[in-house]
Amino acid sequence: AQKITQTQPGMFVQEKEAVTLDCTYDTSDQSYGLFWYKQPSSGEMIFLIYQGSYDEQNATEGRYSLNFQKARKSANLVISASQLGDSAMYFCAMRVLSMNTGFQKLVFGTGTRLLVSP
Amino acid sequence: EAGVVQSPRYKIIEKKQPVAFWCNPISGHNTLYWYLQNLGQGPELLIRYENEEAVDDSQLPKDRFSAERLKGVDSTLKIQPAELGDSAVYLCASSFGDRTFFGQGTRLTVV
Repeated sequence: AQKITQTQPGMFVQEKEAVTLDCTYDTSDQSYGLFWYKQPSSGEMIFLIYQGSYDEQNATEGRYSLNFQKARKSANLVISASQLGDSAMYFCAMRVLSMNTGFQKLVFGTGTRLLVSP
Repeated sequence: EAGVVQSPRYKIIEKKQPVAFWCNPISGHNTLYWYLQNLGQGPELLIRYENEEAVDDSQLPKDRFSAERLKGVDSTLKIQPAELGDSAVYLCASSFGDRTFFGQGTRLTVV
């Protein structure tokens, strides 16, 4: 089964501290992609960071980095120096090949709600 | 550059009524998706378009849902008739290469 698991329904962090949001995945594909999206209360899914399964280095985008451990099938998001505006839902997603159609699609986890306090 | 644009942002309808959502993807993106997001869940794919062709509609409940993407640009998702369980956020997305970009979604409430 192709699945994303996010075990943390909610996380709290103080402003300026770092926080790690957990994500594990399950796939039999050799080639896949892993994504993190931020969803504020406005509803839009905002792309944060991408990691390809063949990328040897962990992806980084500004304050976001993806801790990719292929053997453990984990793709944790690390946010450094948290800001109040980081409070939102965060979704981990995996690009997988649909067995029915042969086309790729994104499979999402259930999300983690992050609350940054002053 | 404009992102993925959806309208309306919010819609409240009575059950058994029809409803339609509109999406304009990012210019130049040939791939367009409609996702359904239930409360407390991640989005799930309803349909994927490559240009004007629906290449993956295996998750679309075809008895009441329909979609079209005439001319391969903007797209419309329709529900007829709506049921109480259709209350959710409907997200449109478009992609080019590895990256997928989402709109703000339409929050549908069926009463």
